[in-house]
Amino acid sequence: GDSVTQMEGPVTLSEEAFLTINCTYTATGYPSLFWYVQYPGEGLQLLLKATKADDKGSNKGFEATYRKETTSFHLEKGSVQVSDSAVYFCALIYGQNFVFGPGTRLSVLP
Amino acid sequence: DSGVTQTPKHLITATGQRVTLRCSPRSGDLSVYWYQQSLDQGLQFLIQYYNGEERAKGNILERFSAQQFPDLHSELNLSSLELGDSALYFCASSTTSGSSYEQYFGPGTRLTVT
Repeated sequence: GDSVTQMEGPVTLSEEAFLTINCTYTATGYPSLFWYVQYPGEGLQLLLKATKADDKGSNKGFEATYRKETTSFHLEKGSVQVSDSAVYFCALIYGQNFVFGPGTRLSVLP
Repeated sequence: DSGVTQTPKHLITATGQRVTLRCSPRSGDLSVYWYQQSLDQGLQFLIQYYNGEERAKGNILERFSAQQFPDLHSELNLSSLELGDSALYFCASSTTSGSSYEQYFGPGTRLTVT
């Protein structure tokens, strides 16, 4: 079945460091791909999405490109801030399948 | 604030009991989704309703059931509760049903079964 694999972390970075969180997927078709973020005590919020191959999603300095050839959707940010500390979920949606990765906890230290 | 509301925020109950979790979607959203988030299983999709009809089913136990009412709010019923049902239950909503549509998540209901 469809699945999402992402680095589980935790990931600890210093402020202004470069961030990469890897995400790869397995799907029978061509899913839409999402990154959601969960701040402490809150529900998930959409960070960015891409609905077809080679699409780049971007928001708040975060970017991810839908790579069909490597079945990947890695999340990147050039310079993280303390306020980016949260749990990040990679997800795929295809038809009636809604699959989330296990989440990656990011801690950014001042 | 996503516009999705969930009640109650916390629920503590005993094994064998039955509880009902309630969700009100964003104004105008026709689709409602239920998820379970636990430490060992991560975020698991349970069930989706679209305009009152069940649209998709995920890893939902037979002891669990849901419905969406004409005013589009939804309820998730959990019965014969076990310790392992302790988790955060999230409701999400989207404008319609389709893979490219963003889901807006509520703040969750934390269920503790003792």
